[in-house]
Amino acid sequence: DAGVTQSPTHLIKTRGQQVTLRCSPKSGHDTVSWYQQALGQGPQFIFQYYEEEERQRGNFPDRFSGHQFPNYSSELNVNALLLGDSALYLCASSPDTSYEQYFGPGTRLTVT
Amino acid sequence: GIQVEQSPPDLILQEGANSTLRCNFSDSVNNLQWFHQNPWGQLINLFYIPSGTKQNGRLSATTVATERYSLLYISSSQTTDSGVYFCAVDNFGNEKLTFGTGTRLTIIP
Repeated sequence: DAGVTQSPTHLIKTRGQQVTLRCSPKSGHDTVSWYQQALGQGPQFIFQYYEEEERQRGNFPDRFSGHQFPNYSSELNVNALLLGDSALYLCASSPDTSYEQYFGPGTRLTVT
Repeated sequence: GIQVEQSPPDLILQEGANSTLRCNFSDSVNNLQWFHQNPWGQLINLFYIPSGTKQNGRLSATTVATERYSLLYISSSQTTDSGVYFCAVDNFGNEKLTFGTGTRLTIIP
């Protein structure tokens, strides 16, 4: 049983560019959440998708947007990249029957 | 929002030693999870423990929900236990985890 997968592993972008990160949830999971982890800090909640809708959102600007597909996979899009967007982006999934979340290996984004 | 504090922030131990990591939270919770973050950034699930006590090999955890704290015990530490340990909670049952600032554990051979 594959766990949560994310792509790409690493990414380098220039200020002002746009980026798309991808996540496939664990088999049997229908809820996907995205987190941003800056260096030396704990992960911060960005938003969550369920049934292809954004169910809730953390304190992140509208430059951060997402999508969930019918197969429950998800994308995180960030527009107009800033240097401060450099971080590890983590995707987590959970089943409908439990609150327990499982995390993917993350995508490390560097903005230069 | 809910506040999560972890202590100590850093812990350096000799291989074979035991350790106790603490997580305090400011409100009642529906979910509490302990994670180990390895050097590559992967968050590894250790325990899902909103209340009670669980054990898995050399690791065990206890959450006292009424007193709003959780403890993670690591016995007979190994160098592979090194890394950052996070406690994360969800207090609305909406699967939005709030993380503590972590405890960095270093095990010296």
